[in-house]
Amino acid sequence: SAVISQKPSRDICQRGTSLTIQCQVDSQVTMMFWYRQQPGQSLTLIATANQGSEATYESGFVIDKFPISRPNLTFSTLTVSNMSPEDSSIYLCSAGGSSGRGIRSPDTQYFGPGTRLTVL
Amino acid sequence: AQSVAQPEDQVNVAEGNPLTVKCTYSVSGNPYLFWYVQYPNRGLQFLLKYITGDNLVKGSYGFEAEFNKSQTSFHLKKPSALVSDSALYFCAVRDHASGGSYIPTFGRGTSLIVHP
Repeated sequence: SAVISQKPSRDICQRGTSLTIQCQVDSQVTMMFWYRQQPGQSLTLIATANQGSEATYESGFVIDKFPISRPNLTFSTLTVSNMSPEDSSIYLCSAGGSSGRGIRSPDTQYFGPGTRLTVL
Repeated sequence: AQSVAQPEDQVNVAEGNPLTVKCTYSVSGNPYLFWYVQYPNRGLQFLLKYITGDNLVKGSYGFEAEFNKSQTSFHLKKPSALVSDSALYFCAVRDHASGGSYIPTFGRGTSLIVHP
């Protein structure tokens, strides 16, 4: 399994500012993902963070709004830029696939504890 | 394309009774199936998965799930529910077919409430 930590665990931010969320995995992983979740609801995939290349964004999410970094196989950041109250949500980091295995491996995705963001 | 359905928004069960949380899926190839649990103010925790082999999969905290290919289902079960099992449960599926997505699709979640 993998242990994933996220910082900060929660934050309250002003409209128009940006927040960077950090995700650290205790082992090297092939794939890292960023999700958004409204409390008590399902997960919406924002993007897949690829090591050594640009992130792959899902429909409705763009790099200018949610820039992502993946400098190595254990770390990623998600920035929520120019925030508005509609960005208030829980942001979850996830990781899967041990380093060196193909992306089609059935390895389980593991999740961080989440970052609860409130934008005023 | 891959999809997963959790037909119940909420399941209520008395402590000590058996519980079932339903999940059905749709894939073009063979499925990889997963169950996760989310306790309040926490991230998702992996419970169990089906990749291949025995249709009955046993996981954490006494949970198990049965893969039924003919009914395209992967229901989560536990023989005797605990109040501490109260949480949000997510089913997820990945299509193992060539060209299938390597990213699982998550269901909308089922809130399990276990009454003392």
